[in-house]
Amino acid sequence: QVQLRESGPGLVKPSQTLSLTCTVSGGSMSTGGYYWSWIRQRPGKGLEWIGYIHYSGSADYNQSLKSRVSMSVDTSKNQFSLQVNSLTAADTGIYYCAGARTFVTVAPIRKHGWFGPWGQGALVTVSS
Amino acid sequence: DIVMTQSPDSLAVSLGERATLSCKSSQSVFYSSTNKNSLAWFQQKPGQAPRLLIYWASTRESGVPDRFSGRGSGTDFTLTISSLQAEDVAVYYCQQYYTSPYTFGQGTKVEIK
Repeated sequence: QVQLRESGPGLVKPSQTLSLTCTVSGGSMSTGGYYWSWIRQRPGKGLEWIGYIHYSGSADYNQSLKSRVSMSVDTSKNQFSLQVNSLTAADTGIYYCAGARTFVTVAPIRKHGWFGPWGQGALVTVSS
Repeated sequence: DIVMTQSPDSLAVSLGERATLSCKSSQSVFYSSTNKNSLAWFQQKPGQAPRLLIYWASTRESGVPDRFSGRGSGTDFTLTISSLQAEDVAVYYCQQYYTSPYTFGQGTKVEIK
């Protein structure tokens, strides 16, 4: 089955840019059955959807972070990536990558579904 | 944004007893084109990533024990653990995938009484 694993630095300085990569195994990212997503969990703040990218390159971001977030996909490596710029201490938390299942309502439009599978999470601390 | 509100914040239940968790959405998540509710439930144990339990409000994910069940429609949903086991101690989250941004509830912590 599809498995995901995050990688990237655990410590980033304020005002700098966070770059995380998610490697997908057990299947090709290009099958179209998933929207490849990032979700974070900050202390005391619960789970927050950051955004997703499709293997085609189309993306959707949470408006609360949109001005600071970008995502990219490299299907040749079966990886997708997250960048968050202008970091502050408030960005400290665990960052998860996940595959959001898709479903078809009116063909060929695919809609965003439920999150599964998830990576194990990457702890990111923003501190000088 | 759709706000997801879970209750209670924490719940202590004796082993073998029933646990009932509530989730309410600020607007309906019923998707008419599929005739289904766009609502999922997750279980998160300490130090682990969330695990999908239920989607479409009541469809159990493969491998999830049948003591977990979901029901509800529109804006009101429940997750029931029919007979609590020690391994069910966790935080449970509901999440809507009806519309972007895809939002989660604040979680309900389930403990053993």
